[in-house]
Amino acid sequence: RKEVEQDPGPFNVPEGATVAFNCTYSNSASQSFFWYRQDCRKEPKLLMSVYSSGNEDGRFTAQLNRASQYISLLIRDSKLSDSATYLCAVNVGNTDKLIFGTGTRLQVFP
Amino acid sequence: NAGVTQTPKFQVLKTGQSMTLQCAQDMNHEYMSWYRQDPGMGLRLIHYSVGAGITDQGEVPNGYNVSRSTTEDFPLRLLSAAPSQTSVYFCASSSPSHNEQFFGPGTRLTVL
Repeated sequence: RKEVEQDPGPFNVPEGATVAFNCTYSNSASQSFFWYRQDCRKEPKLLMSVYSSGNEDGRFTAQLNRASQYISLLIRDSKLSDSATYLCAVNVGNTDKLIFGTGTRLQVFP
Repeated sequence: NAGVTQTPKFQVLKTGQSMTLQCAQDMNHEYMSWYRQDPGMGLRLIHYSVGAGITDQGEVPNGYNVSRSTTEDFPLRLLSAAPSQTSVYFCASSSPSHNEQFFGPGTRLTVL
């Protein structure tokens, strides 16, 4: 089993739709979780950290489920500009190392 | 504040050539890392460093060397380039308290 797994998609959704991505991780000792956004041929950029209590930033909500070892990202009211690849990242056990999922591609259409 | 910078942006090598990918950060981050990104494979960790003078291997270290003589710089060396090393290389840095990694713009390497 890979350390961090994501559905590669693509997820094709209309503008205004709500879409959710999940990311599973295998190391129960992991403590830090992140969602990154990567546009085509660009570097990944942090979208949001994922806290135990869940967190929200505008249209984006991230949640952590430790029991089932997954994190999720919910995007409400999708915009065309949300089209990108979304990468989850999890630290390895008790270290600073981050392992990334392969990314989920989102395409929002008019 | 330039963040994380990488040079060159593009490079073409012939099999067997060596080269160094440069990475520098001006945020005084202790942690730096190198990733390669290939289609369908996501970001894979090559080497990382938790501070000057300390380096360690990631998931795919073979064929690459690193050193960390200063906090700011973390060069990646390809000793004898192979076509399998054709990829996009990203350098990243973070502070210990946050884990959040900041990425450089990447180097697109093609090995013929």
